[in-house]
Amino acid sequence: QSALTQPASVSGSPGQSITISCTGTSSDVGANNAVSWYQQHAGKAPKVIIYEVSERPSGVSARFSGSKSGHTASLTISGLQAEDEAEYYCCAHAGINHWVFGGGTKVSVL
Amino acid sequence: QVQLVESGGGVVQPGGSLRLSCAASGFTFSNYAMHWVRQAPGKGLEWVAFIRSDATIEYYAASVKGRFTISRDDSKNTLYMHMHSLRSEDTAVYYCAKETTPRLPFDDWGQGTLVTVSS
Repeated sequence: QSALTQPASVSGSPGQSITISCTGTSSDVGANNAVSWYQQHAGKAPKVIIYEVSERPSGVSARFSGSKSGHTASLTISGLQAEDEAEYYCCAHAGINHWVFGGGTKVSVL
Repeated sequence: QVQLVESGGGVVQPGGSLRLSCAASGFTFSNYAMHWVRQAPGKGLEWVAFIRSDATIEYYAASVKGRFTISRDDSKNTLYMHMHSLRSEDTAVYYCAKETTPRLPFDDWGQGTLVTVSS
């Protein structure tokens, strides 16, 4: 199972909005709505910020939003803040017995 | 609150074995499916294994199938990963993660334990 495709890096200025894409296939991203996104700060464990394509866990800022079209999921960060500088990973449930992550996107706040 | 604490990592020679543990607290461990996810140094996340809450179903990534075994001991609130025939490419930080629902597979994470396979 190949990793989902994410851009290596995305950058933006404080206050701007950025979008990270996550492209898969009909077997993973396109198969169902079990797409989730994780934020990982350097040296820390990942933290879920979006699940089921567009749902936010309790406590996660509304500045994070998710969507999906066909085989591509997207994460949008609005009102970019310095604390958003981190690595972001998408994940899809590929069938009933496998989960696949994207390669990760480094977000830089200029 | 949910707490997951991994242990058991270390340095092991190629071909060797290791057992990782993940001690869970702050929730009813026996009610939840669990996963192992790993991250090689400077690399991305890779799903490794899954075990259902009742331990009747296990799934593995192709890269570890036949060499790794996931298990759980609900009496000790502990998740395990038995790792055999270790290779250099297994070098990674290993995280355990709690699955709240199938659509929220990695809701809570531990801090990770580093496994280094090297001669």
